[in-house]
Amino acid sequence: GAGVSQSPRYKVAKRGQDVALRCDPISGHVSLFWYQQALGQGPEFLTYFQNEAQLDKSGLPSDRFFAERPEGSVSTLKIQRTQQEDSAVYLCASSFRSLDSGAFFGQGTRLTVV
Amino acid sequence: KQEVTQIPAALSVPEGENLVLNCSFTDSAIYNLQWFRQDPGKGLTSLLLIQSSQREQTSGRLNASLDKSSGRSTLYIAASQPGDSATYLCAVAGNQFYFGTGTSLTVIP
Repeated sequence: GAGVSQSPRYKVAKRGQDVALRCDPISGHVSLFWYQQALGQGPEFLTYFQNEAQLDKSGLPSDRFFAERPEGSVSTLKIQRTQQEDSAVYLCASSFRSLDSGAFFGQGTRLTVV
Repeated sequence: KQEVTQIPAALSVPEGENLVLNCSFTDSAIYNLQWFRQDPGKGLTSLLLIQSSQREQTSGRLNASLDKSSGRSTLYIAASQPGDSATYLCAVAGNQFYFGTGTSLTVIP
């Protein structure tokens, strides 16, 4: 596609529910990143893939967060047993090669846990 | 860990003014620095990308500079317009992208 696409755009989950957020990167982009952005804050790194390999998951806040990119294209961020502090905008970005080629971001998924 | 700071946190200017947004970072070992614009409820739109070997980049009314040795970048916006109102974020690329908390710009008609 022309840009990074994320779905859904908005998600309301009851506390304790599992959610899955999807990211379609720009076709041919090797690198994919997930970020979490709390209200009024800058995005915070969650995890990074190069093709299907998850090279860095140091930013995932707990073991309730899990990300995958099984075929090196579409990625899914899964949050199990959601809690109120998980409420944030989740941003996905892709990059042609690596961090030296800049990044393109999607519109984000706004997750609200009630 | 890389720390990125943006000053000011908020800025309000009358239409037509030139303005400067500042970004500083603590670790000069970066691949590049990227300036983004974020409108309320939206994702990030890339404005300018400066590679670590470059000193500045220009796009239309926007000019970004990079002084890697001092850990600073500025985004200059000429002849500001109400449509420029948004939050501006800078991000430096090291082993991941590190973001500042942004500058919220309001251009008053």
